[in-house]
Amino acid sequence: DSGVTQTPKHLITATGQRVTLRCSPRSGDLSVYWYQQSLDQGLQFLIQYYNGEERAKGNILERFSAQQFPDLHSELNLSSLELGDSALYFCASSTGTSGTSYEQYFGPGTRLTVT
Amino acid sequence: AQSVAQPEDQVNVAEGNPLTVKCTYSVSGNPYLFWYVQYPNRGLQFLLKYITGDNLVKGSYGFEAEFNKSQTSFHLKKPSALVSDSALYFCAVRDKYSSASKIIFGSGTRLSIRP
Repeated sequence: DSGVTQTPKHLITATGQRVTLRCSPRSGDLSVYWYQQSLDQGLQFLIQYYNGEERAKGNILERFSAQQFPDLHSELNLSSLELGDSALYFCASSTGTSGTSYEQYFGPGTRLTVT
Repeated sequence: AQSVAQPEDQVNVAEGNPLTVKCTYSVSGNPYLFWYVQYPNRGLQFLLKYITGDNLVKGSYGFEAEFNKSQTSFHLKKPSALVSDSALYFCAVRDKYSSASKIIFGSGTRLSIRP
């Protein structure tokens, strides 16, 4: 158990809908990262937040957004969903940006199926 | 820009034999290098990292990796494979001087250990 929690575990929704994925980082971790894992794209970095502020952006679509709240949990919002958005979405956390702990700890993921 | 390559989609090894999973990287400065393992329907688990110092890094479950600066490689090794080592392995890199702690993951190598 990494200490990172994600809810829900599974999500099935229709095209055009909007969903919210939730992540709670390990106790003490200030950075949260979101990744998308699909069969044909591998593990794609979406976005990073550090202590409530956006710190790095990857291949995140404009239809997707995220935020990190004062209690450090994070939410990833996916809107106008398309079939191609079906994937595993992982959250990871680490202690900081350029701090002494470099590895990221991953949650169990949310499997999103868009029908 | 930083990148990481895992040239083999799949590696097949007999139980008890040594295994190697290859990884090469590209960063503008000095790298931080990582290996993660993913078991079916699970999140990624951190195995080991190279930050500085000894080129041979030991990690979880008997795995080790050797950092080779001249060949820009960070191959994962284990002297004697177990069937339970069968999983998806990801190499990852971060630029030491990057202001963000964004980690770039390779495409993954599926390790299959036959009894």
